[in-house]
Amino acid sequence: EPEVTQTPSHQVTQMGQEVILRCVPISNHLYFYWYRQILGQKVEFLVSFYNNEISEKSEIFDDQFSVERPDGSNFTLKIRSTKLEDSAMYFCASSEDLENIQYFGAGTRLSVL
Amino acid sequence: AQRVTQPEKLLSVFKGAPVELKCNYSYSGSPELFWYVQYSRQRLQLLLRHISRESIKGFTADLNKGETSFHLKKPFAQEEDSAMYYCALRGGNNRLAFGKGNQVVVIP
Repeated sequence: EPEVTQTPSHQVTQMGQEVILRCVPISNHLYFYWYRQILGQKVEFLVSFYNNEISEKSEIFDDQFSVERPDGSNFTLKIRSTKLEDSAMYFCASSEDLENIQYFGAGTRLSVL
Repeated sequence: AQRVTQPEKLLSVFKGAPVELKCNYSYSGSPELFWYVQYSRQRLQLLLRHISRESIKGFTADLNKGETSFHLKKPFAQEEDSAMYYCALRGGNNRLAFGKGNQVVVIP
């Protein structure tokens, strides 16, 4: 069964550094998402992406965050200058269309020191 | 605003006992409700969605618009049901709003 793939599984970085989290969505899917889960808290929506542009973003997704689909397969989340409070599990998801279910990757644990 | 509430954090049940996980939501429009499950060291995966009206792995959930609830039930818990369960809502947009999740532990 096709899966959403995320790399790396764990990323450790120093505060102020830039990080790029990578995702390979399921190949025939057109909608891509990033969510995050801070330890002990809810899974929170960050951004959705369709047709090479952001279709929706939450209040969490400020100017420090950006997303990109650099080629036909990857979907990346960049955090420009990481803060301690960015430490969380980041989940990528994809769906065939708006009404279909979202399939999640295994997540990248980001630790900001 | 979309909000999902799952009141209990941890639920321990004996094998063979019934399981019920409560989920209440707040949304002004017509929502779509889901239950996602995360087994140990695995990814979040869809368990049920209300529009399918299916029973998956013995679990059922009925959307009650009057009580704004989407409780998950299973009459006889199995050890393999031990997992984290998340209720989620999708409103008029793409985003899923999740509850805090329930850790279910099935005691043999």
